[in-house]
Amino acid sequence: DTGVSQDPRHKITKRGQNVTFRCDPISEHNRLYWYRQTLGQGPEFLTYFQNEAQLEKSRLLSDRFSAERPKGSFSTLEIQRTEQGDSAMYLCASSRVSQNTEAFFGQGTRLTVV
Amino acid sequence: GDSVTQMEGPVTLSEEAFLTINCTYTATGYPSLFWYVQYPGEGLQLLLKATKADDKGSNKGFEATYRKETTSFHLEKGSVQVSDSAVYFCALSDTGANSKLTFGKGITLSVRP
Repeated sequence: DTGVSQDPRHKITKRGQNVTFRCDPISEHNRLYWYRQTLGQGPEFLTYFQNEAQLEKSRLLSDRFSAERPKGSFSTLEIQRTEQGDSAMYLCASSRVSQNTEAFFGQGTRLTVV
Repeated sequence: GDSVTQMEGPVTLSEEAFLTINCTYTATGYPSLFWYVQYPGEGLQLLLKATKADDKGSNKGFEATYRKETTSFHLEKGSVQVSDSAVYFCALSDTGANSKLTFGKGITLSVRP
């Protein structure tokens, strides 16, 4: 088990372009979370999945953002028509379905919109 | 809504000094409390946790006690090492079904030899 894997690690894109990030959780984990972290701030919750179902979305997740977890394994986060304010570190985490269980984080994808 | 407040940083200490990082929280229910650490170039890692009032979490010489009366979860270590240099985040997880984490802003600790 290599932990939570995110790809790419870095992405530079021009404003207005679409970008997609991938997260591969720990294999037996059925919960998957996306967070966004801007400079000098802690991570902020965006959305989470239990298996393939997206069960909650933060109000931070505008209509330009969409996340999927089609087979309950890996997940993708797409940002359409990127804006400079989207520049941030996007973190993925996974955990088992159990109260108070530990969430394991990936190293993140750093997005820079120029 | 839920929130976590951490003391302002950064913090710079000499090796073997005593460390305290303050964390207070606001939550409607009875959250679980966590300290996560991010070492340079690495992802967030769970350092310790406490799931109910008066619980003490401990790991790698770090300790934190869940104080419901003061809504606090301060992180302490008796003798820091250079290898403890990292960013430390206090977080809470509500007791609802999703267990999402609410983080503080984080504080950078630098330990000099």
